Amino acid sequence: GGIITQTPKFLIGQEGQKLTLKCQQNFNHDTMYWYRQDSGKGLRLIYYSITENDLQKGDLSEGYDASREKKSSFSLTVTSAQKNEMAVFLCASSIHWGGAGTQYFGPGTRLLVL
Amino acid sequence: QEKVQQSPESLIVPEGAMSSLNCTFSNSASQSIWWYQQHPGKGPEALISIFSNGNKKEGRLTVYLNRASLHVSLHIRDSQPSDSAVYLCAVNQGGRALIFGTGTTVSVSP
Repeated sequence: GGIITQTPKFLIGQEGQKLTLKCQQNFNHDTMYWYRQDSGKGLRLIYYSITENDLQKGDLSEGYDASREKKSSFSLTVTSAQKNEMAVFLCASSIHWGGAGTQYFGPGTRLLVL
Repeated sequence: QEKVQQSPESLIVPEGAMSSLNCTFSNSASQSIWWYQQHPGKGPEALISIFSNGNKKEGRLTVYLNRASLHVSLHIRDSQPSDSAVYLCAVNQGGRALIFGTGTTVSVSP
C-alpha cells in the first residue's frame, strides 16, 4: 500500500497572492494529477504529469503553474489568488497514464482567499 | 468533450435498503467507467470499475453498463450508515484524462 500526503491541509491567502500547494506519494507511481473540486461542480483537472520530467495542462490550467520536482512529488502554484477561488485542491496518482488504472487521491488542501 | 451527468443529486435511504445511482455519458467510445466514494473531508476512493457491457458484482456493490444507452448504474445492497458519502462517476476514453460527474450525495438513515 501507499499514501498521498498533501500540505498544507488549510491555506488562507490574500487576493493577488501567490500560493503553493504540495503533494507527495510513496506508491512509486509514474503519473500524478492536480484537481480542483468546487461545490456542485465535480472534479476538474488542472495539471498532470505523466512521468517525472513531464508536465501537461488540463482544462482548468489558466491561473496555475505546476512543478514535478521528482517522481514522488508534484506542486501546484496559484499564481494570483482570486476571491472566487475557494475550493478544495486534490492531488492524485496512478501507476500509469491512460485511465485504465486506479487513481489514488490525497485528502485535499482547502483554500480560502480573503 | 465527454460529458458525465449523475442522478439523483441526493438520495436518502433507510438502513438495509438498496441505494441506486445513475450516470450517463456522451461518448460510446468511452472505455472504462469508475465509481468513487468520497466521505466529508477526505479524498475520493475508487470503489469499482467496469469496462465491458453488462454487469459486475463486488460484495454489496453491483454495476450495470449499457453502452447503447450510454448509461451506467451503481447499486449498493443492504445500505449502511457508513455508506453515507458522495459518489462520483468517472469516465475514461483511453489515453485521456478521467472526466468526473458532479456526484450523488447518499445519506443512509439508521
